[in-house]
Amino acid sequence: EADIYQTPRYLVIGTGKKITLECSQTMGHDKMYWYQQDPGMELHLIHYSYGVNSTEKGDLSSESTVSRIRTEHFPLTLESARPSHTSQYLCASRRTWGTEAFFGQGTRLTVV
Amino acid sequence: AQTVTQSQPEMSVQEAETVTLSCTYDTSENNYYLFWYKQPPSRQMILVIRQEAYKQQNATENRFSVNFQKAAKSFSLKISDSQLGDTAMYFCAFTIRGAQKLVFGQGTRLTINP
Repeated sequence: EADIYQTPRYLVIGTGKKITLECSQTMGHDKMYWYQQDPGMELHLIHYSYGVNSTEKGDLSSESTVSRIRTEHFPLTLESARPSHTSQYLCASRRTWGTEAFFGQGTRLTVV
Repeated sequence: AQTVTQSQPEMSVQEAETVTLSCTYDTSENNYYLFWYKQPPSRQMILVIRQEAYKQQNATENRFSVNFQKAAKSFSLKISDSQLGDTAMYFCAFTIRGAQKLVFGQGTRLTINP
């Protein structure tokens, strides 16, 4: 079992609400990632971090923001949720560029 | 830009058959890693197999093996003696030396039928 955890697993929330998706890992990995997985299952990188206080936007434009204040924690925030944000969000981490990435179980977000 | 392409959206085979999933990638770099990941229904994504670009020998993990053709930029996954538990989405992924990003293909939905 990978030591990377996402909460909540499922979330249904109303339009305009602020939400934070949590991701934590206990492996001491510097690199962490957020992917958005659409209904067709394709993965889109929306944010990544290569260490504390370093965050970058990914290939898919997203209205979400991230922070990396501690190595183990990489939360994703949506200031004002919209139905277009409905998706599955996967968090991942890895030690370095050539090593295995470990994934959390995902958060399935539905905005109504 | 680094890209990964999986041209087979869905595949279906009978249990115990052998199946090959295709993946091509594009990069001008010479030092990189390639991966196959498996995402079973409603379960976590896990690593199936990893290949270092500078190693000519194809990686093998039990029933899973790859055919790595560096010049052709091809990285296919062969599953031998397929089992019902192999039913999953399979993603090809790629990262270049020193890069932060891990780039995924579109995925192939593999179904193993009894």
